[in-house]
Amino acid sequence: KNQVEQSPQSLIILEGKNCTLQCNYTVSPFSNLRWYKQDTGRGPVSLTIMTFSENTKSNGRYTATLDADTKQSSLHITASQLSDSASYICVVSGYGGATNKLIFGTGTLLAVQP
Amino acid sequence: NAGVTQTPKFRVLKTGQSMTLLCAQDMNHEYMYWYRQDPGMGLRLIHYSVGEGTTAKGEVPDGYNVSRLKKQNFLLGLESAAPSQTSVYFCASSYNQGDNEQFFGPGTRLTVL
Repeated sequence: KNQVEQSPQSLIILEGKNCTLQCNYTVSPFSNLRWYKQDTGRGPVSLTIMTFSENTKSNGRYTATLDADTKQSSLHITASQLSDSASYICVVSGYGGATNKLIFGTGTLLAVQP
Repeated sequence: NAGVTQTPKFRVLKTGQSMTLLCAQDMNHEYMYWYRQDPGMGLRLIHYSVGEGTTAKGEVPDGYNVSRLKKQNFLLGLESAAPSQTSVYFCASSYNQGDNEQFFGPGTRLTVL
């Protein structure tokens, strides 16, 4: 069964600290993996996309990694800010990116405290 | 450029009532989607459309109908609301499928009593 599992479910860190969120998937065949950020009461917004051949990609203080062999991805946040408080959702696309083949993780809820 | 907008933002229904959620996008995207988001679960696709005049079922289509009469609008209808349809509904759009990013609306919080 195609699944996307994220860990931890929730995380509390102090402002300025780094953190890493994990995403494991069993989706096959694999097309791409996206990390979305969802602020409370808002829709998800894409942070990065990783395709099969990419190992790492950065977007400002966000760095995503992908290991297609072990089917694992991580999202590393550097020097966290209060505005990073949100849910981070891992989304894996299979079957050549077909519209109805996106598998969403349940998200990691990050709280950054001053 | 408003992106993806949804109306209404909140709604409370009684069991058996009907309603329509409206999604509009101004990015000239071909693809549009309706998802529901429930606590402890990932977003689940209800219905989607690959172009004006076309619709298709997603993962959880039962109890919902959709229409895409205009390219920029995608309507989600509940004919007879049930408490199990209490959820947050998100509309999204994308230029194409595959590696193309989906842009999400702000969501509609629906409560069915």
